[in-house]
Amino acid sequence: QQPVQSPQAVILREGEDAVINCSSSKALYSVHWYRQKHGEAPVFLMILLKGGEQKGHEKISASFNEKKQQSSLYLTASQLSYSGTYFCGTAGSSNTGKLIFGQGTTLQVKP
Amino acid sequence: DTGVSQNPRHKITKRGQNVTFRCDPISEHNRLYWYRQTLGQGPEFLTYFQNEAQLEKSRLLSDRFSAERPKGSFSTLEIQRTEQGDSAMYLCASSLYGTGELELFFGSGTQLSVL
Repeated sequence: QQPVQSPQAVILREGEDAVINCSSSKALYSVHWYRQKHGEAPVFLMILLKGGEQKGHEKISASFNEKKQQSSLYLTASQLSYSGTYFCGTAGSSNTGKLIFGQGTTLQVKP
Repeated sequence: DTGVSQNPRHKITKRGQNVTFRCDPISEHNRLYWYRQTLGQGPEFLTYFQNEAQLEKSRLLSDRFSAERPKGSFSTLEIQRTEQGDSAMYLCASSLYGTGELELFFGSGTQLSVL
């Protein structure tokens, strides 16, 4: 089943923070986060494996709560370049190559 | 490393025609995936290969769709008797399975419009 992302859309000013949530009804092995700009390919941000780890990438970090089957992406001190659509993709096992993506969260950062 | 390459970038066809798309993955990647994306939605899994073996195909995928990866390098996705509902962006991705790397590298996609 498709994971549910919230919110559907966010508008920020430069320097503000945002949180994007991803929730699944199925047990998860991993959660993947991608960002896609209009007309471009999705670009990998990070992967979180079950174990509840939190990862960071510059000012973008994420957490994964495997018990709740939820992941959150944290964007701090947002920059104009952060604008785009963010997708979470979930995998139920380590062996599968299949990701089930959420419907996306559109983030717009304004000057 | 030139990334994942997809051809053509755009394809316009009439309903009922057959179309074929090509994907060239990153050369050392052993897994190749096809996804479909419609406007405002996330990518939807279609099928994937490990080397030349097709390991999984979406149950939602019509029999009109077929994919091959004959020598474990490039892949083709063919849609027979296209329908207007097939209009979408078809994305290819590749990954290097077995090294602990799980990241998918996506191509820029082929935009299909069925008239």
